[in-house]
Amino acid sequence: GESVGLHLPTLSVQEGDNSIINCAYSNSASDYFIWYKQESGKGPQFIIDIRSNMDKRQGQRVTVLLNKTVKHLSLQIAATQPGDSAVYFCAENREGNRSTLTFGKGTMLLVSP
Amino acid sequence: GAGVSQSPSNKVTEKGKDVELRCDPISGHTALYWYRQSLGQGLEFLIYFQGNSAPDKSGLPSDRFSAERTGGSVSTLTIQRTQQEDSAVYLCASSRDRDYEQYFGPGTRLTVT
Repeated sequence: GESVGLHLPTLSVQEGDNSIINCAYSNSASDYFIWYKQESGKGPQFIIDIRSNMDKRQGQRVTVLLNKTVKHLSLQIAATQPGDSAVYFCAENREGNRSTLTFGKGTMLLVSP
Repeated sequence: GAGVSQSPSNKVTEKGKDVELRCDPISGHTALYWYRQSLGQGLEFLIYFQGNSAPDKSGLPSDRFSAERTGGSVSTLTIQRTQQEDSAVYLCASSRDRDYEQYFGPGTRLTVT
């Protein structure tokens, strides 16, 4: 499973760069995955989701990749903007418990102008 | 339309006191969730309500925590005899039904002194 840490991993990028945020999950039975964005003082906001029968899904400026073999999920943000600065969480839905999500610890993305 | 709202936005209480946190879900959403987010951590599932079914209380950390949902709409999370380790942001989310996207409220920041 994921390690528990007191400090969030941080990714610092320049405006215009592409960002890749990674997430490892532990339960091979998980069949639904979501990425959330959380800005300071706000609740998480849905970005994109993917089901386990897919390995890639694209949205506007975002792409989620799923590698079930190594239980790895990534979020790619194209042409990162300062407004993308936030904490990004992956979440998984486990078979037999489809209504509740298990969240990862989060990654802080800092975008410099 | 209106999103999920929570009140109060901030609550400071003394150790040993009881607190009540309120969540107003999006109108028409049958599913309601409570999560807890400690500083620099991911979200921890607490409890889930779906329609008139018995709630899933599997995430409640102790018997000091309880929640109810009246009339299938507003929900109240109650923490009795608060402890310092209860300090966190308590987030509520609702969804149209199980298996649909969860929309989060802004959270209530609870500080136990």
